[in-house]
Amino acid sequence: DSGVTQTPKHLITATGQRVTLRCSPRSGDLSVYWYQQSLDQGLQFLIHYYNGEERAKGNILERFSAQQFPDLHSELNLSSLELGDSALYFCASSVTHMYGGAQETQYFGPGTRLLVL
Amino acid sequence: GQNIDQPTEMTATEGAIVQINCTYQTSGFNGLFWYQQHAGEAPTFLSYNVLDGLEEKGRFSSFLSRSKGYSYLLLKELQMKDSASYLCAVRDWNADSNYQLIWGAGTKLIIKP
Repeated sequence: DSGVTQTPKHLITATGQRVTLRCSPRSGDLSVYWYQQSLDQGLQFLIHYYNGEERAKGNILERFSAQQFPDLHSELNLSSLELGDSALYFCASSVTHMYGGAQETQYFGPGTRLLVL
Repeated sequence: GQNIDQPTEMTATEGAIVQINCTYQTSGFNGLFWYQQHAGEAPTFLSYNVLDGLEEKGRFSSFLSRSKGYSYLLLKELQMKDSASYLCAVRDWNADSNYQLIWGAGTKLIIKP
C-alpha cells in the first residue's frame, strides 16, 4: 500500500458525459501528479500540482482539468468524454524539495479504471 | 530533445538473471528511477540512481552511467511473480526551471518456467 488513495476504482459512463476522479496523496506529500495509461500503452503525464498550484502540464486535453485543494487532495475532471478516453488514470504523490533527490520518488495510487461506452 | 529507450519485450527463464537496459537523452539530468508495473496495477518504485555506479537491493540491482546516458536493471534468481513491465524514468530540469519526470514506454518481461 503506497498510502495514495484514489476513488472510484471503476467508472463506467457514456460518451459526452463528465466525470470527476479523486486522489488523496500520502501524508506529508505536497505534490500530486495525474497520469493516463491506455491499454498496453505507456504512462502519459497529464498534470502536476504542488501545494495547490499548477506546476507543469503534459499531454492534457482541453476537455480535462484538474485542481488541488487546500487539504492537498486533488480532482481530475474529464468532460465531453469520448471512447478513446477509456483508460487507467493514476494519481501519484511526492514530497517535492527544491533540489530533488530521492524524496522526489513518486508513489502511485491504485488507479481509476474508466470505461466510456 | 528528451528521449528514453527501452526494449519493448524480453523473455527469461525462472531462476535465471536478466538485464533490462535503458538509454536516455536529457538536457538536465537529475536522477533515474526504475518502477515495476504488473498488468492492470499501479507502478511501484524499485530503485533510484543519481550517481554513477551500482545500487543493490536484494535480488534487484540498478546501474547508472551518466556519461553514457545509460542505466540497467538487473534481476537475479527470477521468479514467476517478476513477470511485469519495468519502467525507466529520468528526472530532467526543463526550461522553466522545474524538474519533470520523463517516462520510458516500459519493458514487458515474460518469465517462463
